[in-house]
Amino acid sequence: GAVVSQHPSRVICKSGTSVKIECRSLDFQATTMFWYRQFPKKSLMLMATSNEGSKATYEQGVEKDKFLINHASLTLSTLTVTSAHPEDSSFYICSASQGGDQPQHFGDGTRLSIL
Amino acid sequence: QQPVQSPQAVILREGEDAVINCSSSKALYSVHWYRQKHGEAPVFLMILLKGGEQKGHDKISASFNEKKQQSSLYLTASQLSYSGTYFCGTDSGGNKLVFGAGTILRVKS
Repeated sequence: GAVVSQHPSRVICKSGTSVKIECRSLDFQATTMFWYRQFPKKSLMLMATSNEGSKATYEQGVEKDKFLINHASLTLSTLTVTSAHPEDSSFYICSASQGGDQPQHFGDGTRLSIL
Repeated sequence: QQPVQSPQAVILREGEDAVINCSSSKALYSVHWYRQKHGEAPVFLMILLKGGEQKGHDKISASFNEKKQQSSLYLTASQLSYSGTYFCGTDSGGNKLVFGAGTILRVKS
Protein backbone atom coordinates (compact mmCIF):
# COMPACT_ATOMS: atom_id res chain seq x y z
CA GLY A 1 0.00 0.00 0.00
CA ALA A 2 0.81 3.74 0.01
CA VAL A 3 2.07 3.99 -3.55
CA VAL A 4 2.86 7.37 -5.04
CA SER A 5 3.47 7.68 -8.75
CA GLN A 6 5.44 10.58 -10.22
CA HIS A 7 5.69 11.29 -13.91
CA PRO A 8 7.80 11.86 -15.92
CA SER A 9 10.88 10.32 -14.37
CA ARG A 10 13.23 12.31 -16.55
CA VAL A 11 12.92 15.45 -18.66
CA ILE A 12 15.50 17.11 -20.87
CA CYS A 13 14.41 20.32 -22.52
CA LYS A 14 15.55 23.64 -23.83
CA SER A 15 15.78 26.82 -21.78
CA GLY A 16 12.51 28.75 -21.77
CA THR A 17 10.30 25.66 -21.88
CA SER A 18 7.65 25.02 -19.25
CA VAL A 19 7.61 21.56 -17.73
CA LYS A 20 4.76 19.88 -15.88
CA ILE A 21 5.36 17.12 -13.33
CA GLU A 22 2.50 14.98 -12.02
CA CYS A 23 2.24 13.32 -8.65
CA ARG A 24 -0.48 10.76 -7.98
CA SER A 25 -1.37 8.77 -4.90
CA LEU A 26 -2.53 5.45 -6.34
CA ASP A 27 -4.09 3.64 -3.40
CA PHE A 28 -4.96 6.30 -0.87
CA GLN A 29 -6.40 9.77 -0.69
CA ALA A 30 -3.77 12.37 0.01
CA THR A 31 -4.95 15.27 2.08
CA THR A 32 -1.61 16.93 1.64
CA MET A 33 1.08 16.71 -1.00
CA PHE A 34 4.56 18.13 -0.74
CA TRP A 35 7.08 19.14 -3.37
CA TYR A 36 10.80 18.89 -2.71
CA ARG A 37 13.94 19.71 -4.59
CA GLN A 38 17.13 17.76 -4.07
CA PHE A 39 20.61 18.68 -5.31
CA PRO A 40 23.25 15.94 -5.76
CA LYS A 41 24.35 14.46 -2.45
CA LYS A 42 22.23 16.97 -0.57
CA SER A 43 19.16 16.83 1.57
CA LEU A 44 15.53 17.27 0.56
CA MET A 45 14.47 20.91 0.47
CA LEU A 46 10.77 21.55 0.87
CA MET A 47 9.48 23.88 -1.83
CA ALA A 48 5.77 23.94 -1.08
CA THR A 49 2.91 22.24 0.70
CA SER A 50 -0.27 21.59 -1.22
CA ASN A 51 -3.70 20.83 0.19
CA GLU A 52 -6.51 19.65 -2.05
CA GLY A 53 -8.70 22.47 -3.22
CA SER A 54 -6.65 25.30 -1.75
CA LYS A 55 -3.65 27.37 -2.75
CA ALA A 56 -0.23 25.93 -2.10
CA THR A 57 1.93 27.28 0.70
CA TYR A 58 5.41 28.08 -0.54
CA GLU A 59 8.58 28.05 1.52
CA GLN A 60 10.62 31.19 1.86
CA GLY A 61 12.70 31.88 -1.21
CA VAL A 62 10.60 29.76 -3.58
CA GLU A 63 9.03 31.78 -6.39
CA LYS A 64 5.38 30.84 -6.67
CA ASP A 65 5.10 32.31 -10.15
CA LYS A 66 8.01 30.16 -11.24
CA PHE A 67 6.84 26.93 -9.65
CA LEU A 68 3.10 26.62 -10.15
CA ILE A 69 1.37 24.01 -8.03
CA ASN A 70 -2.11 22.67 -8.54
CA HIS A 71 -3.79 20.14 -6.27
CA ALA A 72 -7.01 19.46 -8.12
CA SER A 73 -8.06 16.27 -6.36
CA LEU A 74 -7.20 14.07 -3.40
CA THR A 75 -5.02 11.92 -5.64
CA LEU A 76 -3.31 14.38 -7.97
CA SER A 77 -0.98 17.33 -7.62
CA THR A 78 1.04 18.94 -10.38
CA LEU A 79 4.14 21.11 -10.36
CA THR A 80 4.81 23.27 -13.40
CA VAL A 81 8.24 24.81 -13.77
CA THR A 82 7.57 27.83 -15.95
CA SER A 83 10.13 29.21 -18.39
CA ALA A 84 12.76 26.85 -17.07
CA HIS A 85 16.43 27.83 -17.06
CA PRO A 86 19.58 25.75 -16.50
CA GLU A 87 19.65 26.72 -12.81
CA ASP A 88 16.27 24.98 -12.43
CA SER A 89 17.91 21.66 -13.28
CA SER A 90 17.50 19.37 -10.30
CA PHE A 91 15.81 16.29 -8.88
CA TYR A 92 12.22 17.12 -7.95
CA ILE A 93 10.36 14.74 -5.63
CA CYS A 94 6.77 14.80 -4.48
CA SER A 95 5.31 13.13 -1.44
CA ALA A 96 1.78 12.48 -0.32
CA SER A 97 0.26 12.08 3.11
CA GLN A 98 -3.14 11.30 4.55
CA GLY A 99 -2.43 13.97 7.13
CA GLY A 100 -2.35 13.85 10.90
CA ASP A 101 0.29 11.46 12.18
CA GLN A 102 0.53 9.59 8.89
CA PRO A 103 3.91 9.44 7.14
CA GLN A 104 4.78 11.00 3.83
CA HIS A 105 5.19 8.57 0.96
CA PHE A 106 7.46 9.66 -1.83
CA GLY A 107 7.18 9.40 -5.59
CA ASP A 108 10.17 8.18 -7.60
CA GLY A 109 11.25 11.70 -8.47
CA THR A 110 11.76 13.61 -11.70
CA ARG A 111 15.22 14.47 -12.93
CA LEU A 112 14.92 17.75 -14.79
CA SER A 113 17.74 18.88 -17.06
CA ILE A 114 17.48 22.25 -18.78
CA LEU A 115 19.90 22.82 -21.64
CA GLN B 1 15.96 24.98 11.18
CA GLN B 2 17.57 21.85 9.83
CA PRO B 3 18.12 19.03 12.35
CA VAL B 4 21.69 17.86 12.79
CA GLN B 5 22.50 14.29 11.88
CA SER B 6 25.54 12.37 12.99
CA PRO B 7 27.66 10.74 11.84
CA GLN B 8 27.89 12.12 8.31
CA ALA B 9 28.99 8.76 7.00
CA VAL B 10 29.69 5.29 8.30
CA ILE B 11 31.13 2.14 6.77
CA LEU B 12 30.19 -1.22 8.23
CA ARG B 13 30.87 -4.84 7.52
CA GLU B 14 27.88 -7.12 7.21
CA GLY B 15 26.59 -8.08 10.62
CA GLU B 16 27.85 -4.99 12.42
CA ASP B 17 25.63 -2.49 14.18
CA ALA B 18 25.23 1.26 13.66
CA VAL B 19 23.51 4.17 15.35
CA ILE B 20 22.46 7.33 13.55
CA ASN B 21 21.51 10.37 15.59
CA CYS B 22 19.22 13.28 14.82
CA SER B 23 19.15 16.38 16.99
CA SER B 24 16.94 19.45 16.74
CA SER B 25 17.12 22.90 18.30
CA LYS B 26 13.32 23.14 18.21
CA ALA B 27 10.66 21.31 20.17
CA LEU B 28 9.47 18.35 18.16
CA TYR B 29 6.08 16.82 17.58
CA SER B 30 7.39 13.87 15.60
CA VAL B 31 10.45 12.44 13.91
CA HIS B 32 10.35 10.51 10.64
CA TRP B 33 13.13 8.28 9.33
CA TYR B 34 13.74 7.51 5.65
CA ARG B 35 16.34 5.64 3.63
CA GLN B 36 17.26 6.75 0.13
CA LYS B 37 19.31 4.76 -2.34
CA HIS B 38 21.23 6.52 -5.07
CA GLY B 39 18.95 7.89 -7.79
CA GLU B 40 15.80 6.69 -6.04
CA ALA B 41 13.11 8.25 -3.89
CA PRO B 42 13.28 8.09 -0.09
CA VAL B 43 11.58 5.08 1.48
CA PHE B 44 9.70 5.47 4.74
CA LEU B 45 11.14 3.50 7.67
CA MET B 46 9.26 4.68 10.73
CA ILE B 47 7.66 7.59 12.54
CA LEU B 48 8.00 8.42 16.22
CA LEU B 49 5.53 10.69 17.91
CA LYS B 50 5.63 13.18 20.75
CA GLY B 51 5.46 11.55 24.12
CA GLY B 52 8.71 9.76 23.62
CA GLU B 53 8.69 6.29 22.22
CA GLN B 54 10.62 3.48 20.72
CA LYS B 55 9.74 1.53 17.66
CA GLY B 56 11.24 -1.21 15.63
CA HIS B 57 10.72 -3.72 12.92
CA ASP B 58 13.05 -6.42 11.78
CA LYS B 59 16.53 -5.25 12.83
CA ILE B 60 15.89 -1.54 12.53
CA SER B 61 14.58 0.38 15.51
CA ALA B 62 14.46 3.96 16.70
CA SER B 63 13.94 6.02 19.81
CA PHE B 64 12.71 9.53 20.38
CA ASN B 65 13.64 11.58 23.41
CA GLU B 66 11.21 14.45 23.36
CA LYS B 67 12.90 16.38 26.19
CA LYS B 68 16.30 16.26 24.54
CA GLN B 69 14.75 16.86 21.10
CA GLN B 70 16.71 13.92 19.78
CA SER B 71 16.06 10.71 17.94
CA SER B 72 18.31 7.79 17.20
CA LEU B 73 18.03 5.07 14.56
CA TYR B 74 19.53 1.69 15.42
CA LEU B 75 20.60 -0.75 12.74
CA THR B 76 21.57 -4.15 14.07
CA ALA B 77 23.27 -7.02 12.25
CA SER B 78 23.48 -4.87 9.15
CA GLN B 79 22.86 -6.33 5.70
CA LEU B 80 24.11 -5.18 2.31
CA SER B 81 20.60 -3.90 1.56
CA TYR B 82 20.90 -1.39 4.40
CA SER B 83 23.31 0.70 2.35
CA GLY B 84 22.00 4.12 1.44
CA THR B 85 21.55 7.59 2.83
CA TYR B 86 19.42 7.89 5.94
CA PHE B 87 17.46 11.05 6.56
CA CYS B 88 15.58 12.15 9.61
CA GLY B 89 12.70 14.53 9.07
CA THR B 90 11.43 16.57 11.99
CA ASP B 91 7.98 18.06 12.48
CA SER B 92 7.68 20.88 14.99
CA GLY B 93 3.92 20.97 14.73
CA GLY B 94 3.53 22.65 11.36
CA ASN B 95 2.64 19.33 9.70
CA LYS B 96 5.65 19.59 7.41
CA LEU B 97 9.07 18.00 7.66
CA VAL B 98 12.51 19.55 7.78
CA PHE B 99 15.12 17.01 6.76
CA GLY B 100 18.61 16.61 8.09
CA ALA B 101 21.64 16.56 5.81
CA GLY B 102 21.64 12.77 5.77
CA THR B 103 23.95 9.99 6.94
CA ILE B 104 25.61 7.87 4.28
CA LEU B 105 25.73 4.23 5.33
CA ARG B 106 27.76 1.70 3.38
CA VAL B 107 27.70 -1.94 4.27
CA LYS B 108 30.53 -4.05 2.87
CA SER B 109 30.60 -7.82 2.54
